[in-house]
Amino acid sequence: AQSVAQPEDQVNVAEGNPLTVKCTYSVSGNPYLFWYVQYPNRGLQFLLKYITGDNLVKGSYGFEAEFNKSQTSFHLKKPSALVSDSALYFCAVSPISNDYKLSFGAGTTVTVRA
Amino acid sequence: DAGVTQSPTHLIKTRGQQVTLRCSPKSGHDTVSWYQQALGQGPQFIFQYYEEEERQRGNFPDRFSGHQFPNYSSELNVNALLLGDSALYLCASSHAAVVPYNEQFFGPGTRLTVL
Repeated sequence: AQSVAQPEDQVNVAEGNPLTVKCTYSVSGNPYLFWYVQYPNRGLQFLLKYITGDNLVKGSYGFEAEFNKSQTSFHLKKPSALVSDSALYFCAVSPISNDYKLSFGAGTTVTVRA
Repeated sequence: DAGVTQSPTHLIKTRGQQVTLRCSPKSGHDTVSWYQQALGQGPQFIFQYYEEEERQRGNFPDRFSGHQFPNYSSELNVNALLLGDSALYLCASSHAAVVPYNEQFFGPGTRLTVL
């Protein structure tokens, strides 16, 4: 069975500073990895995905994530955070197999202060 | 291009009642998944429908059932509601022919409150 851990419940950064949201995963075989963002009272919005190839993945709104197979991590990063990046971020994993569900972490609340 | 839509937005029920939630997938998508997101938690997979059949199911009791229609829209039914069923129910759609077919696009959710 696959699982995701987001070790930080909350991340606080100042606007303009780098933002990192951590994610580690456990899955049999190779994974598909995803990051989603959720604003209050809203559904999940897709940010980026890792399927194969380059370990550095670029996504929406200036976000990127680095896949590290040896450390089974997929940390989300943004070089310069904005106040509008304040939201709840979820990492999700799915195995490359006939398993169709996404398994999500518990989420990390990001607060960017002006 | 309409994204994933869900109805209703909010719903209040009492214990023991039954509820039906509805979802229309993103245009061009043929697969619908349902997730339950309890307060303060990540979404938990309930089940997925493809070609009008349940293709995969998560760890949820039989009180949770679903249906997919020929136009790919879907319903989630929950019988004998419990207080613990209070949650945000998310519908996600995807296209089975697109890799990864588990790249899912989410709707805004239905907030269910059980009193």
